Amino acid sequence: DIQMTQSPSSLSASVGDRITITCRASQSISSSLNWYQQKPGKAPKLLIYDTSTLQSGVPSRFSGSGSDTDFTLTINSLQPEDCATYYCQQSFSTPDTFGQGTRLEI
Amino acid sequence: QITLKESGPTLVKPTQTLTLTCAFSGFSLTTRGVGVGWIRQPPGKAPEWLALIFWDDEERYSPSLKNRLSITKDTSKNQVVLTMTDMDPVDTGTYFCAHKHISISGLRVLNYFDYWGQGTLVTVSS
Repeated sequence: DIQMTQSPSSLSASVGDRITITCRASQSISSSLNWYQQKPGKAPKLLIYDTSTLQSGVPSRFSGSGSDTDFTLTINSLQPEDCATYYCQQSFSTPDTFGQGTRLEI
Repeated sequence: QITLKESGPTLVKPTQTLTLTCAFSGFSLTTRGVGVGWIRQPPGKAPEWLALIFWDDEERYSPSLKNRLSITKDTSKNQVVLTMTDMDPVDTGTYFCAHKHISISGLRVLNYFDYWGQGTLVTVSS
């Protein structure tokens, strides 16, 4: 299985800040990297697919970049509603695997 | 509008078999590029991919759980069923089903879960 490692595991920031979460794959996954946001008691919500494509309806303050093994999720101008846990997921090979998550506090 | 909803027992005993049903609407599991997957999440932990079934009947399983899992689809009922045998307390968690999108864009394969059910909490305890 491809291992996905996220950092940091938790993060505290303020409204208006810019934050970056990183995700590293144990082997090359091309651009097959997706990002999800999960709030307590809810299902994960797709934010970004294929490294950098914003899912429909997701605010433009979210962006993704990277390739091969190293990827980042950036949130510009943090809003209170961005308080959540964020997961990266590789879909390059079965089984899809998720990072351990980054808990964002605002 | 795509929706999915999981149903099944909330409590199972160790060694029992868990059967979960995902009822979906808004898409057909006979459409090329569509799949339905199951993902579970232990309390306070990251999601774990379990199994996936595609529009063409191809099935895929987590290698670590393959011997315990079975996924089937009923296209007439718009349902996908996951069966997991020999349940253990470590299998406690929320089980989600999700719509899998697969398409080709140039040289890239787009592959992601874009719609999820609300999840169902399964507790394994005697």
